[in-house]
This record gives sequence, structure tokens and C-alpha cells, in this order.
Amino acid sequence: AQSVAQPEDQVNVAEGNPLTVKCTYSVSGNPYLFWYVQYPNRGLQFLLKYITGDNLVKGSYGFEAEFNKSQTSFHLKKPSALVSDSALYFCAVRASGGGNKLTFGTGTQLKVEL
Amino acid sequence: DGGITQSPKYLFRKEGQNVTLSCEQNLNHDAMYWYRQDPGQGLRLIYYSQIVNDFQKGDIAEGYSVSREKKESFPLTVTSAQKNPTAFYLCASSFVAAGANTEAFFGQGTRLTVV
Repeated sequence: AQSVAQPEDQVNVAEGNPLTVKCTYSVSGNPYLFWYVQYPNRGLQFLLKYITGDNLVKGSYGFEAEFNKSQTSFHLKKPSALVSDSALYFCAVRASGGGNKLTFGTGTQLKVEL
Repeated sequence: DGGITQSPKYLFRKEGQNVTLSCEQNLNHDAMYWYRQDPGQGLRLIYYSQIVNDFQKGDIAEGYSVSREKKESFPLTVTSAQKNPTAFYLCASSFVAAGANTEAFFGQGTRLTVV
């Protein structure tokens, strides 16, 4: 069965500092990997995805993520955090080949303080 | 505008009642999903459908039912058999075929409360 682990329930960062939100996954075959962000009482917004190709993918709002096949990780990063980045972040995996279910992690609450 | 619409935004259910949550999309997506969100547990998959008139159970299907009679619509019924239905429910859709456009798009959610 496929799964996603987000080992940190909460990450605290000072504004202007770099941030990392961790994600590891387990799936049969090659993965499609995604990051989403959720603001209170809202649906999820897509940030970025890894399908194939470059291990470093860039997404919305200055976020990027690095795919590491040997470590089965897909950590989300941003060079300089903003207070407005404070939200709940979810990592998700789907097996490649199409038509398979999308599995999410438990989420990481990011808090960026002045 | 293209998108995915959930209704209602808030729903109250009495003990023993069935309720149906609506999800409609005009993105021409093949696949649709229902997730339940509880604090500290992330998103758990209830049901998903890859094609009209076909759907599969997810990880927590007990006490729920779905139908997929039209490509655009994937309603979720929370039955009286679901013992703890109070939660935030999220519907999503995506293309099925392998390739670049595989990300799912989400509705704004329905918050269901048992009273």
C-alpha cells in the first residue's frame, strides 16, 4: 500500500529565514509527488509536482521541492519565508501509470513569525 | 470559470439521518475523489471514481456511499451507519491518464456537524 509520512506536525520559522517541510513516501513503481497548501476552512491549493525529469521542481509563491529517489523524499523548501506562508501543508503521492489513488500525509503546520 | 464546486458549505445532521454532499466539476476530469479531514489525521480517502458508473472504496468507506452517474458529478451520502460523521469533507478531481497534468483540484469543502 502506498503511504506518505510528514514527520513534523509543526514547523516554526522566522520571517526571512529559509524553510523546509519534510516528506517521505512509499509507492510501487515510479511516483508522482505533489505539495498542497491549505488555509483555514478552505480547500487545498496545488503548489507543485514532480512527475519526471529534474529532481528540483519549482512551484507557486517561490516554493520548490527536491525529489530524492534513494531517500524516497520530497521535501518542500523556500529560501526566504514570509508571514503569509503560514498555513497547513500536505504532501501527496500517486503511482505513475495513471488512474491510481492519491494518498496524502497528515500535514505540517507552518508558522512564520516576525 | 472552470472549477470544482461543493455544496453546501455547512451542513447539520441529526442522529440517524442520511445526508448527501454535492460535488460538481466542469474541468472535464475523469477522476473524482472524496476525502475526510479531521484535526491531526490529514486527509483520508473515502471513495474515488475513475470513470462514470464505476468507483472504488478508499481507506475509510464504511458508513458512506457514492454514485457516479455523470462525469461532472460525484455526490457523497453520509449514512446513519457512520458513527462519527462530524468532519470537514473535501472533494477533488483530476485527469486519469498518465502524464504531466495529473494534479488534483479541490473544492472548498463541506463542514458536516452532527447535532
